[in-house]
Amino acid sequence: SYELTQPPSVSVSPGQTAKITCSGDALPKKFVYWYQQKSGLAPVVVIFEDGKRPSGMPERFSGSKSGTVATLTISGAQVEDEADYYCYSSDSTSSHSGVFGGGTKLTVL
Amino acid sequence: QLQLQESGPGLVKPSETLSLTCNVSAASISTSSFYWGWIRQPPGKGLECIGSIFYTGSTHYNPSLKSRVTMSVDTSKNQFSVKLRSVTAADTAVYYCARLPWHYDASGYQTTWPDTWGRGTLVTVSS
Repeated sequence: SYELTQPPSVSVSPGQTAKITCSGDALPKKFVYWYQQKSGLAPVVVIFEDGKRPSGMPERFSGSKSGTVATLTISGAQVEDEADYYCYSSDSTSSHSGVFGGGTKLTVL
Repeated sequence: QLQLQESGPGLVKPSETLSLTCNVSAASISTSSFYWGWIRQPPGKGLECIGSIFYTGSTHYNPSLKSRVTMSVDTSKNQFSVKLRSVTAADTAVYYCARLPWHYDASGYQTTWPDTWGRGTLVTVSS
């Protein structure tokens, strides 16, 4: 089965830039989506279709992709950005084959 | 504003069937623009797609759960449901329902992604 690989944890100080990566063989052909999940709450999309920001999402959140690696960048991370982040994409060989990465715990302190 | 709300028993016995319903408000489920889906998250672990359903009743399931899952839709009540049979402790999780926009990718495959989620409901499998 298709897998997306993320680092388990990333840690930055407030105001620094946080980068979370997601790797997968099909990423060159498939959109990547990024979700933020704070403790006890449902996930919220922060980036869709590789690099688009939903309305109301702070500009410090950005997404990029190069080959088989997608990156979520949080420029000037704030304490309230501390959360779990998940990437989501699809297998390249079938329809309706969405999968999530294992998640990355972002610590801002 | 679109809202999704999961409902169902919070406790299910091993080997029995887990049944959940998602009520959709402030938008019609009978739209060709979206699929509707279920996603689960075991305590302290990551997210797993369970499956999706179109308003016509067309379904797509995660291969790892396909033998135990059935999804259905009731357009008159604007809700959709999931049943998971023969549950074990490994099925203990927070279950989310979600709206899934879809598109065809460059290869012609139909792709969906969750853009709006319910709050989730914890289902514990225990005797």
